Amino acid sequence: DQQVKQNSPSLSVQEGRISILNCDYTNSMFDYFLWYKKYPAEGPTFLISISSIKDKNEDGRFTVFLNKSAKHLSLHIVPSQPGDSAVYFCAASADWNTGNQFYFGTGTSLTVIP
Amino acid sequence: ETGVTQTPRHLVMGMTNKKSLKCEQHLGHNAMYWYKQSAKKPLELMFVYNFKEQTENNSVPSRFSPECPNSSHLFLHLHTLQPEDSALYLCASSPVKGTVHEKLFFGSGTQLSVL
Repeated sequence: DQQVKQNSPSLSVQEGRISILNCDYTNSMFDYFLWYKKYPAEGPTFLISISSIKDKNEDGRFTVFLNKSAKHLSLHIVPSQPGDSAVYFCAASADWNTGNQFYFGTGTSLTVIP
Repeated sequence: ETGVTQTPRHLVMGMTNKKSLKCEQHLGHNAMYWYKQSAKKPLELMFVYNFKEQTENNSVPSRFSPECPNSSHLFLHLHTLQPEDSALYLCASSPVKGTVHEKLFFGSGTQLSVL
């Protein structure tokens, strides 16, 4: 059973606009969440993370929001740039002390149109 | 360059072949992982090595055999694979502070095709 879900396989956004990528999870024990970005022929690279004690974390153009009651997180990219076109994976882990199991979603392919 | 190098980048093998995937990390991390990415599926954790000791084996068939001779190198030995094993195999490493594994650093992966 998939514990982390990204229900939108693809998203297209105009350059300069906001991109919003969504992720839902089912396990209420998850307490650490990450977003990864993947270009073709490369491995995923870490983008931004958030722990469950926060509801927002910001890093430049990237902001992650966490809604624990809805078991939902989102990644906002603003303004979107063509170089942001990639596949974005969200991941979650349960329990900091045994955090060697990261559960990944299936990814959302973002296309930023110049 | 992520500091995690995987070879080969592409591999085509028959079901009776034996091959090995290699991963090397230059980041000084203590944990190394093998993940499998199949089309339209989430990344699946296969194996975890923590300080060279295998700590996770997620019900992976015995035709996949990992080896971790030291904390910088990880191998995945393949034998008598099936066509459904065709996938992208990703190696990752992470620093470990106490018992906490921090974020993963991935290699570029090996795209495996089993004929």
